Amino acid sequence: QITLKESGPTLVKPTQTLTLTCTFSGFSLSTSGVGVGWIRQPPGKALEWLALVYWDDDKRYSPSLKSRLTITQDTSKNQVLLTMTNMDPVDTAIYYCAHNYDSGGGPFDSWGQGTLVTVSS
Amino acid sequence: DIQMTQSPSSLSASVGDRVTITCRASQSISSNLNWYQQKAGKAPEVLVYGSSSLQSGVPSRFSGSGSGTDFTLTISSLQPEDFATYYCQQSYRTPYSFGQGTKLEIK
Repeated sequence: QITLKESGPTLVKPTQTLTLTCTFSGFSLSTSGVGVGWIRQPPGKALEWLALVYWDDDKRYSPSLKSRLTITQDTSKNQVLLTMTNMDPVDTAIYYCAHNYDSGGGPFDSWGQGTLVTVSS
Repeated sequence: DIQMTQSPSSLSASVGDRVTITCRASQSISSNLNWYQQKAGKAPEVLVYGSSSLQSGVPSRFSGSGSGTDFTLTISSLQPEDFATYYCQQSYRTPYSFGQGTKLEIK
């Protein structure tokens, strides 16, 4: 059974850097074709794809946010980290991590519960 | 980037109705189209992947079709638990964009 759980601060100040951790179980990020992605959802709005790291450490980012995002994996801890710099109130959202397969061609078939991050001074 | 456009944005229907939601890609994405259901306060769940393959455990009243740029999600007979928001997502090329969502409400 695949499970994922997001953790990190619930409140950050504008201009600060956000670091979120996705801790997962039930799969290995060393397995060919597997990936872990981050998706966010501002309150009452649509889903937005942010970033994805593949089993071979290939990393992909949303072009509109690429300069602010870094995704890394710690295979030994079964964790994927997402760092977003220069946070702004418009970045207030629920942040989800999710399992992906088929080298990204498959769906996000398992999701974490999400973590709400509020950006406010 | 590939833009995904869903229609309608919202839809009112009754239990037992047949409902169709449309998703259009700004360029061809072959069959790399997935559908998700999101209920209030919950994470999305995949219903259909690869345009027409039903995710394990998803009721057979859900079906997907299409290829290229035009796709549909059909619910053959709405059940009370189907009232939710539905999103399409392309997994053809990064960034793996989502549609803006279709909110299905009870009439």
